Amino acid sequence: GAGVSQTPSNKVTEKGKYVELRCDPISGHTALYWYRQSLGQGPEFLIYFQGTGAADDSGLPNDRFFAVRPEGSVSTLKIQRTERGDSAVYLCASSLSGINTEAFFGQGTRLTVV
Amino acid sequence: QKEVEQDPGPLSVPEGAIVSLNCTYSNSAFQYFMWYRQYSRKGPELLMYTYSSGNKEDGRFTAQVDKSSKYISLFIRDSQPSDSATYLCAMSGSPGGGSYIPTFGRGTSLIVHP
Repeated sequence: GAGVSQTPSNKVTEKGKYVELRCDPISGHTALYWYRQSLGQGPEFLIYFQGTGAADDSGLPNDRFFAVRPEGSVSTLKIQRTERGDSAVYLCASSLSGINTEAFFGQGTRLTVV
Repeated sequence: QKEVEQDPGPLSVPEGAIVSLNCTYSNSAFQYFMWYRQYSRKGPELLMYTYSSGNKEDGRFTAQVDKSSKYISLFIRDSQPSDSATYLCAMSGSPGGGSYIPTFGRGTSLIVHP
């Protein structure tokens, strides 16, 4: 596709459940980023992939959060035992390479934990 | 203190005004500077991207970087109601120094009224 695609656009889940959020980056982009944005705040870095490997996962808040990118394209952010504090918009961005930081964002997945 | 500081606003201006949006930062390793526009319930959209100090112009938008003061600006000329959005600054380092993962400000809400 022409841009970064994220699915689902909205997700409501019960506290304690497991969720998966998907990101389909721009074709040919090797760098992929996950961010989390709370209301009234800027995007907060979670994890960065270069190809298939997680080059930097220092932003993941705890071990309930995990992300994969097995074939160097689509990425999935996985959250176990969700908590109400996980409610936020989860944004994915991609760029041509980690050196070129013109990062292009998807529309985000709005996660609500009830 | 956050690495990137940005006044959340809101900034309210009449149509046709010149708008000045600003960010300050503390990390001297930042080399790449970006401005994103984010409409309500949408993902951030890249507006301007500059490397190191200086000015860059694109249509009604001008980005300025003053690395000596650790201060960046975005100017919008002849502002339109359609410019009403949240403007996010972001910055990153280079392979030679500092992380090249974009760090964001919290965004400034701009309202352009007819």
